Amino acid sequence: EPEVTQTPSHQVTQMGQEVILRCVPISNHLYFYWYRQILGQKVEFLVSFYNNEISEKSEIFDDQFSVERPDGSNFTLKIRSTKLEDSAMYFCASSTQGFEKLFFGSGTQLSVL
Amino acid sequence: DQQVKQNSPSLSVQEGRISILNCDYTNSMFDYFLWYKKYPAEGPTFLISISSIKDKNEDGRFTVFLNKSAKHLSLHIVPSQPGDSAVYFCAASPTSGTYKYIFGTGTRLKVLA
Repeated sequence: EPEVTQTPSHQVTQMGQEVILRCVPISNHLYFYWYRQILGQKVEFLVSFYNNEISEKSEIFDDQFSVERPDGSNFTLKIRSTKLEDSAMYFCASSTQGFEKLFFGSGTQLSVL
Repeated sequence: DQQVKQNSPSLSVQEGRISILNCDYTNSMFDYFLWYKKYPAEGPTFLISISSIKDKNEDGRFTVFLNKSAKHLSLHIVPSQPGDSAVYFCAASPTSGTYKYIFGTGTRLKVLA
């Protein structure tokens, strides 16, 4: 069964450093998302991406965040200058339609020290 | 922002019995609802969905009930199995104008053998 893959599974970084989280969505999916879950809290929407542009973003997704689909398969989330409060599990997801069930990857645990 | 609430953080059920997980929402614009299951170190996995034109949707052991007037939905698992032990999230969204799902905080289900 096709799946969303995310790398790395764990990322440790120093505060102020840039990180790039990588995702390979399911190949025939057209809509891509990033969500995150801070430990003990709910899963929160960050951004949705369709047709090579951001279709929606949350208030969390400020100027420090960016997304990119550099080729036909990868979908990346960049945090330009990480803060302690960026520590969370980041989930990539994809779907065939804009309004349909999302398929999630297994996440990248980001720890900012 | 508590638009989707799961008021029970945990639930324990004996194997073979019914598990009932509850979810309440406040936004009357929500008209599409999903349940996800999450195991540790994995991403959320889609279980079942329901749109507001229905009040019940069934898939095998899983049934979701929607009470629009009460802004309440529930997930019934019958019979419960030890492998069902996981965190269950409900998620909601309008079907137009956004591709963003709002998740609840989750309920940890433990099925006792």
